[in-house]
Amino acid sequence: DAKTTQPTSMDCAEGRAANLPCNHSTISGNEYVYWYRQIHSQGPQYIIHGLKNNETNEMASLIITEDRKSSTLILPHATLRDTAVYYCIVALDYKLSFGAGTTVTVRA
Amino acid sequence: GAGVSQSPRYKVAKRGQDVALRCDPISGHVSLFWYQQALGQGPEFLTYFQNEAQLDKSGLPSDRFFAERPEGSVSTLKIQRTQQEDSAVYLCASSSGFLDGEQFFGPGTRLTVL
Repeated sequence: DAKTTQPTSMDCAEGRAANLPCNHSTISGNEYVYWYRQIHSQGPQYIIHGLKNNETNEMASLIITEDRKSSTLILPHATLRDTAVYYCIVALDYKLSFGAGTTVTVRA
Repeated sequence: GAGVSQSPRYKVAKRGQDVALRCDPISGHVSLFWYQQALGQGPEFLTYFQNEAQLDKSGLPSDRFFAERPEGSVSTLKIQRTQQEDSAVYLCASSSGFLDGEQFFGPGTRLTVL
C-alpha cells in the first residue's frame, strides 16, 4: 500500500473550518483514500473515503486532487469534540495502515 | 444499535501468562479485523476474518498470537506466554462488506504485561 504524509499537529478555532492535508504521491490507480479519527481512549472512527471524485457526508468533505497525489479533509465547522488524531490512509482493500496521523486540537 | 464491544477493557498479565481477548462484532457483519496499537502509535493490522475463515494473518507478530472466530460471529485473540513487548491496546473492528469499506471499531482492550 502507498504511504501517506501528514503534518504532526495542527490547531484550529472552534466554529471555523479545519483543513487537514495529506500527501500520497505513490498512490496507485485502484487505491482508495480513507480518513479515520481517534478520540482519546476510544477506537478509531470512520469519517469518509474516496477514489477519484470529491466526497461529502454529514461529518466532512474530502477533496482529492486530479492527479490523486494529495487530498484534504475539511471539517466545515470544528467543535471541541473534533479534537482527535486524524489518520489519512491509502488502501487497496481491508488492510488499513494508520501511520502516525495529525493531532488536531480545536480551541475555544 | 449496539456497536462493537470488547472485553475485558483492561488486562494485566504477568510475563509468561496466557491471555484471551474477546470481540463481539456488530450483528451480521461478515468481516472482522484485529489491530494492535502501541502507545503513541497508530493501529497496526494483525488479522482478518471473513465469517469463520481466517483469510489473512500476515500481521500477527509471532506464533504466540492466535485468533479464532469459530461460528463467524464472536472472535477471540489469544496471546500465549506474554512478553512485555505485547503491551498495547488491541482493537477489534467489523465491517458489513467483504474486502473494503467502513470498518467499525470497538473501544479496545488495554493489555499490560508486567
